[in-house]
Amino acid sequence: AQTVTQSQPEMSVQEAETVTLSCTYDTSESDYYLFWYKQPPSRQMILVIRQEAYKQQNATENRFSVNFQKAAKSFSLKISDSQLGDAAMYFCAHSGSARQLTFGSGTQLTVLP
Amino acid sequence: EPEVTQTPSHQVTQMGQEVILRCVPISNHLYFYWYRQILGQKVEFLVSFYNNEISEKSEIFDDQFSVERPDGSNFTLKIRSTKLEDSAMYFCASSELGTAIFGSGTQLSVL
Repeated sequence: AQTVTQSQPEMSVQEAETVTLSCTYDTSESDYYLFWYKQPPSRQMILVIRQEAYKQQNATENRFSVNFQKAAKSFSLKISDSQLGDAAMYFCAHSGSARQLTFGSGTQLTVLP
Repeated sequence: EPEVTQTPSHQVTQMGQEVILRCVPISNHLYFYWYRQILGQKVEFLVSFYNNEISEKSEIFDDQFSVERPDGSNFTLKIRSTKLEDSAMYFCASSELGTAIFGSGTQLSVL
């Protein structure tokens, strides 16, 4: 069974600074996807970024980028130039051959003005 | 941009009552899911649906739960006899090529 671990329940960052959220996972599969979802106070689940395991290149979406270390089973999210609107709960998730998502417990990000 | 639509946004029910949560997935998606999130906890997988049948289900998805695709667009989750511990946010999601897009959720409160 897949597991996803987020060891940082809470993080804070100063506006305009950079923050990195950590995630590790465990899987026996070689082909899978990894995701970061953002959940603001509205509780909607918003896709931030996705990484295919077969791709060596780290995914990037504007101010969001990942550091994917397949051998270490690590998948961290870097947010550059943090904005007040980035404040939310961030969930790391894994999807394998069964397609459903396994989520971590989340990291609550606070952005300080 | 295509989106997953869920109704209602809030549902209040009495313990023991049946509820049906409704979802309209993105039209060209083939895989449909239900997840739930108890307040303050992680998002948990309930069930996945493909080709008009359940493809995977979790331990949470017991005989009290059922899913249905009654027509070409709707996807429903029925809870037969609600319990207090069923109070949660229920998310529908759909996917085509591995990326699940979530609806905005139905907050279910069981009194």
